[in-house]
Amino acid sequence: DVKVTQSSRYLVKRTGEKVFLECVQDMDHENMFWYRQDPGLGLRLIYFSYDVKMKEKGDIPEGYSVSREKKERFSLILESASTNQTSMYLCASSTQGAYGYTFGSGTRLTVV
Amino acid sequence: EDQVTQSPEALRLQEGESSSLNCSYTVSGLRGLFWYRQDPGKGPEFLFTLYSAGEEKEKERLKATLTKKESFLHITAPKPEDSATYLCAVRTVKAAGNKLTFGGGTRVLVKP
Repeated sequence: DVKVTQSSRYLVKRTGEKVFLECVQDMDHENMFWYRQDPGLGLRLIYFSYDVKMKEKGDIPEGYSVSREKKERFSLILESASTNQTSMYLCASSTQGAYGYTFGSGTRLTVV
Repeated sequence: EDQVTQSPEALRLQEGESSSLNCSYTVSGLRGLFWYRQDPGKGPEFLFTLYSAGEEKEKERLKATLTKKESFLHITAPKPEDSATYLCAVRTVKAAGNKLTFGGGTRVLVKP
């Protein structure tokens, strides 16, 4: 069964901490994505990557960075966590072409 | 700018009461419209992809249809286990890296 695995289901971090969210896929997909999901705002794209070491900004990249050193792994980094980054973070992957995503289970991050 | 709007925001149904969810879109060149189901606290799960107007897809009690401006997700004789948030997303011809734009979702509650 194909999978996108996010390393943590729940995280609580303090304001100002550097936070790493990890995502691994086992489908050899070229594309990987990080979204955040908030009530009333839906899913918003933070960053995506279409190849190793390649990254593109999404709609809300401010306060975030990403790393993709290997094809199967895509990391989201919160350089200095703030309370407005409290959210559900969803990782997804897809192959090339007009295909849908496979999502991970999500990481619910709370910044206090 | 590509826009995806889902309606209604929430839908309460009695078990067996059929209904339809709407996803209207304004995009420059559609390359695919996607439906997902999301259970509370989990990542979205892929349901259907539609590529061209007139296309229909079915899965159990769900049927998705597509026109040039909107898509419908019909739920026939729903059961309580159909309760979830249903998300619609589009991919356009100019979207880099298979990027999808999501609507806000419709929360469906089916009461026994």
